[in-house]
Amino acid sequence: EPEVTQTPSHQVTQMGQEVILRCVPISNHLYFYWYRQILGQKVEFLVSFYNNEISEKSEIFDDQFSVERPDGSNFTLKIRSTKLEDSAMYFCASSETSRLATQYFGPGTRLTVL
Amino acid sequence: QKEVEQDPGPLSVPEGAIVSLNCTYSNSAFQYFMWYRQYSRKGPELLMYTYSSGNKEDGRFTAQVDKSSKYISLFIRDSQPSDSATYLCAMMGGSEKLVFGKGTKLTVNP
Repeated sequence: EPEVTQTPSHQVTQMGQEVILRCVPISNHLYFYWYRQILGQKVEFLVSFYNNEISEKSEIFDDQFSVERPDGSNFTLKIRSTKLEDSAMYFCASSETSRLATQYFGPGTRLTVL
Repeated sequence: QKEVEQDPGPLSVPEGAIVSLNCTYSNSAFQYFMWYRQYSRKGPELLMYTYSSGNKEDGRFTAQVDKSSKYISLFIRDSQPSDSATYLCAMMGGSEKLVFGKGTKLTVNP
């Protein structure tokens, strides 16, 4: 069964450093998403991406965040200058043909900012 | 009022019990309702997807949506220890973002 994959599974970084989280969405999916879950809190929407541009973003997704689809398979989330409060699980998701279709989640990347 | 409210539990039941999990919401624009299961430190796994009001059954799982009351439920029949996980309700409507509840942690004891 096709699945969303994410790398790395765990990333440790120093405050102020840049990190790139990588995702490979399901191959025939056209809509891509990033969510995050701070420990003990809700899963929160960050951004959605379609046709090589951001289609929606939350207030969390400020200028320190960016997303990119550098090739036909990868989808990345970059955090330019990490803060302690960026420590969280980051989940990538993808959906098939409609922005209202089911979203399938990857296993997540645990980001720890020291 | 929070957009989606879900009792975090924890909920502990004996094997074989019927489990009822619930969420309430405030946004009338929500039309799509999902239940995800999440094991510790893993990604949410889709269990059920329902559009608008009504019931949907899949094996031991039944999802119910009552839009007039802004209330959704997930029932698990004949619960198994392997059902032990956190169950997240999620909703969507008017935009493509999923809005999640906080999740209910369920333990099914053998």
